[in-house]
Order: sequence, then C-alpha cells, then structure tokens
Amino acid sequence: SQQGEEDPQALSIQEGENATMNCSYKTSINNLQWYRQNSGRGLVHLILIRSNEREKHSGRLRVTLDTSKKSSSLLITASRAADTASYFCATDAHGNEKLTFGTGTRLTIIP
Amino acid sequence: NAGVTQTPKFQVLKTGQSMTLQCAQDMNHNSMYWYRQDPGMGLRLIYYSASEGTTDKGEVPNGYNVSRLNKREFSLRLESAAPSQTSVYFCASISWGQDLGNSPLHFGNGTRLTVT
Repeated sequence: SQQGEEDPQALSIQEGENATMNCSYKTSINNLQWYRQNSGRGLVHLILIRSNEREKHSGRLRVTLDTSKKSSSLLITASRAADTASYFCATDAHGNEKLTFGTGTRLTIIP
Repeated sequence: NAGVTQTPKFQVLKTGQSMTLQCAQDMNHNSMYWYRQDPGMGLRLIYYSASEGTTDKGEVPNGYNVSRLNKREFSLRLESAAPSQTSVYFCASISWGQDLGNSPLHFGNGTRLTVT
C-alpha cells in the first residue's frame, strides 16, 4: 500500500477562498514534500518541510507537519483558477532514499 | 540543460512483447526513480536507485526490471507486457544532501504506455 494518503480526494471551492488538503503517512520520515500536477503534465515541486520543522510558508502556500500524528496539511490562500490541479504529498522513509507519493487531492477552483 | 529526458513519449505494445523505457538526467543527481501513475492511484514507486550501482524495489516492482547503467541513466524494462501495465510512467531524479530544500525531485515528461 502507498505511504501517503491525501484527504479529501477531491475538493471544489470558489475562487478567492482558501483550500486545505491533508496528507497522512505511515512510517517515520526525513522530509515531506508537496507537488502539483496539472492535467496531463509532470509534477512540479511546491514546498519541502523537514521532519524537525512544524510550519513553512512559500507565497500563498502554508505547510504544517505534525510528526506525532504522522500528518501534514497544505493550505493555499486566496485561491486562483490557475490553482486547479492535483496535489500530492511525498515522503522519504527515514534511513533511506525511498520516496513515495500519496494518492492525491484533485482541487478545482470555480471562477 | 535538458533536466530529465524520457523516451519514448508514447508506446503501444501487444501482450507478451517486451520493451525498455529510457531515462537520462544531466543534473549530476545521485538518486533516480521510476513511478507509474494510474487514475485514482496517484504515483506508485516501481524501483529506485539511491546511487550508481544500486537498485531497490519500490511498492509495485512485479513485472519490471531496472538497470542503473551509469550515474546519468536509469532504464525500466518490461520483459513480457501485460494489459495491467497500461499506465503513464515517470522517471525522476534528485540529489539528496544538505541543500535538499533547494533540490526537489525533477520529473521527466512521462511515457504513455498502452498494452493491448
């Protein structure tokens, strides 16, 4: 089974609203990354948070990490139509370079 | 600077045929990965190579073999293709190190494989 599970599987919101998606994982990690994938394209790196960090910001993105609950959240503020995409979390298992992805959240921004 | 290059972009195989997906990166990355992406399943790790000369199984290795030919190249081979291997395949590379925060996973553009 996959290491990460995103929640919800799909999310539709109005443009300008905030979007929050969550990622849960199973084993201890070194880092957690979030990626975006537009339809039919490859994945684009958004942000990385290390296991000793609790929160990180990048522009309109805010990521939190709770290692005790083995979960992370990605918040996109003031959403735009261009944010419509699938979002994936990726984790590297502690002690090796095995990098696995979650199942993804499909985000739709309604203009 | 091409990044990660995958070939071919599209391929149609008949059941039982074999083929090799090629991947090359020019960023001097030490680790390379093969993923497959199916609708509703996200990306699943097939095999990875943490460094030149090493390969390890991922989540779904059955039916596949890999070769880390050198630091640049990491190929994925289907010895006897099956319809269940119809998918989009992505190769990726990364260089783990102290500057990991500025060194994300770089992806190729994918290979769309159909097995009939």
